[in-house]
Amino acid sequence: NAGVTQTPKFRILKIGQSMTLQCTQDMNHNYMYWYRQDPGMGLKLIYYSVGAGITDKGEVPNGYNVSRSTTEDFPLRLELAAPSQTSVYFCASGGGGKQFFGPGTRLTVL
Amino acid sequence: DAKTTQPPSMDCAEGRAANLPCNHSTISGNEYVYWYRQIHSQGPQYIIHGLKNNETNEMASLIITEDRKSSTLILPHATLRDTAVYYCIVRSWNNAGNMLTFGGGTRLMVKP
Repeated sequence: NAGVTQTPKFRILKIGQSMTLQCTQDMNHNYMYWYRQDPGMGLKLIYYSVGAGITDKGEVPNGYNVSRSTTEDFPLRLELAAPSQTSVYFCASGGGGKQFFGPGTRLTVL
Repeated sequence: DAKTTQPPSMDCAEGRAANLPCNHSTISGNEYVYWYRQIHSQGPQYIIHGLKNNETNEMASLIITEDRKSSTLILPHATLRDTAVYYCIVRSWNNAGNMLTFGGGTRLMVKP
């Protein structure tokens, strides 16, 4: 039981490039989430999903897109990367207030 | 969901109890109190949650005042590995997306 896994662990992007952050969970949770955490700050919700085929915006969705074709996977797409998207990205799954977090992806946009 | 207030930082001696307070004076009847912690550079970790009764598990105890306007997370014998940011979160049971709103938290430093 691996829990929530994220790839890659680290990535450096140039301004304007695109990339997909991968997230997979093996706990059969319906709910999945993407957060970002800027240095010294709390987590902010980007997007979430309540089940396959259903996604919704969180607090800071601009510049990101998501899809949920399976229960297990919830990729986050960054289009036209900007320096403001430099952050640590955490994926989580769960429900009822109890969420399980992945180890994070540290992204730098230069 | 109700807003929470936590001290920005606290120190605790290793082996002593760490008592982390949280104020949630606007909490409503259907809102639970959750505690998470985040050890440096790692994803947040669920600790405990409660509605109105005190709760205990293998990690910590949660004491909620009778009026539910505040709570205290207790780590009974703090170790150096408990050094982390602790987040108190109030969330209603019927929150549509089961979302959590993380505030600034309390940075707990456990010292030898």
